[in-house]
Amino acid sequence: DTEVTQTPKHLVMGMTNKKSLKCEQHMGHRAMYWYKQKAKKPPELMFVYSYEKLSINESVPSRFSPECPNSSLLNLHLHALQPEDSALYLCASSEGVLSNYEQYFGPGTRLTVT
Amino acid sequence: KNEVEQSPQNLTAQEGEFITINCSYSVGISALHWLQQHPGGGIVSLFMLSSGKKKHGRLIATINIQEKHSSLHITASHPRDSAVYICAVKTSGSRLTFGEGTQLTVNP
Repeated sequence: DTEVTQTPKHLVMGMTNKKSLKCEQHMGHRAMYWYKQKAKKPPELMFVYSYEKLSINESVPSRFSPECPNSSLLNLHLHALQPEDSALYLCASSEGVLSNYEQYFGPGTRLTVT
Repeated sequence: KNEVEQSPQNLTAQEGEFITINCSYSVGISALHWLQQHPGGGIVSLFMLSSGKKKHGRLIATINIQEKHSSLHITASHPRDSAVYICAVKTSGSRLTFGEGTQLTVNP
């Protein structure tokens, strides 16, 4: 199983809502990532978890709150988002954080904030 | 100047043509990735390479570490190859630095 799954595929939320994005992998990977991708732009790294601990936060606003409940799951909790947060949110995983490990990407969640 | 530059930005080809997408980078890297992204989202990793050449089906990726340059070739292109192709480099640890992508359209 070389798949990273993400739910939901699409999400529309208001600026006062609280929602969560979910990501799951069963490859035994110990590093997991959240990326944000705006239209026609490359992905931007948001967070990296290594062995269930947050190792990189790329100065992401606190309205985005990541959580790694176990080595297979990664959540992104959303609260009080702005319309400019509308984007494709991609999850990825790799065996570890060292540079020789390949990252496997999920299909993404397309988020629209109204 | 971006650390990773891709060319061309857009490429239109006829089915069956040989296609080359180029990637140049200005930093020391430990590995280079070629990624494919179809409309609607998901990214597929095509190759990860740190030297030489790799081949998978109709796709070939090469890298010249001394010249800081990599190419992705598609032989006998097909409309289903239409996608955005992204070059990304690993400089240290887990961070990937992405190029802006090349939008490829293959017409039947």
